[in-house]
Amino acid sequence: LAKTTQPISMDSYEGQEVNITCSHNNIATNDYITWYQQFPSQGPRFIIQGYKTKVTNEVASLFIPADRKSSTLSLPRVSLSDTAVYYCLVGARYSGGYNKLIFGAGTRLAVHP
Amino acid sequence: SAVISQKPSRDICQRGTSLTIQCQVDSQVTMMFWYRQQPGQSLTLIATANQGSEATYESGFVIDKFPISRPNLTFSTLTVSNMSPEDSSIYLCSVEDEFLAGVSDEQFFGPGTRLTVL
Repeated sequence: LAKTTQPISMDSYEGQEVNITCSHNNIATNDYITWYQQFPSQGPRFIIQGYKTKVTNEVASLFIPADRKSSTLSLPRVSLSDTAVYYCLVGARYSGGYNKLIFGAGTRLAVHP
Repeated sequence: SAVISQKPSRDICQRGTSLTIQCQVDSQVTMMFWYRQQPGQSLTLIATANQGSEATYESGFVIDKFPISRPNLTFSTLTVSNMSPEDSSIYLCSVEDEFLAGVSDEQFFGPGTRLTVL
């Protein structure tokens, strides 16, 4: 399983766009990139998943360059409620088996008024 | 998606005792997992709870310390045995099922059980 590297922490202000970059130099051909969000005293919650180029949903965008050795989670116009830990995970997609999640240290995002 | 509940939500236990944590899902799911999250740390997978067979444990975790049951497709238990203060953590269960996740393979997590061992 590919190892991921993220910044330990980030600070932002309400209304700003936040970009969190994750490095995964050893990503395999079959690996997908997935981001989870964890609020204090809660379990992690799936945010977004992608394989290449750009993926967008109602919560975030995920940018993946052609070499797939890194990815960037983009949160538009953050609010105080986006304060959380964000985890980048890399692994093969479910294919009749299961997806064993290996969590790295995550990025602790603090959004200030 | 899936709604997952865990019992108890928190507990304070004495050294040497055991605690059983329950995980209940509101629908049948293929896979159930147990994680540990020590204070201020990331999540570590303990084991995969297999329905009808023995759990599959990750390196560093053994059945004698963390026995797991999975009697059906909606329920699992994790027991933390012969506890020591080092076992103080949040224990989370998660589920994965291709019919719940749709196009992705996301896992759905319970709220966690906060365990303090004195």
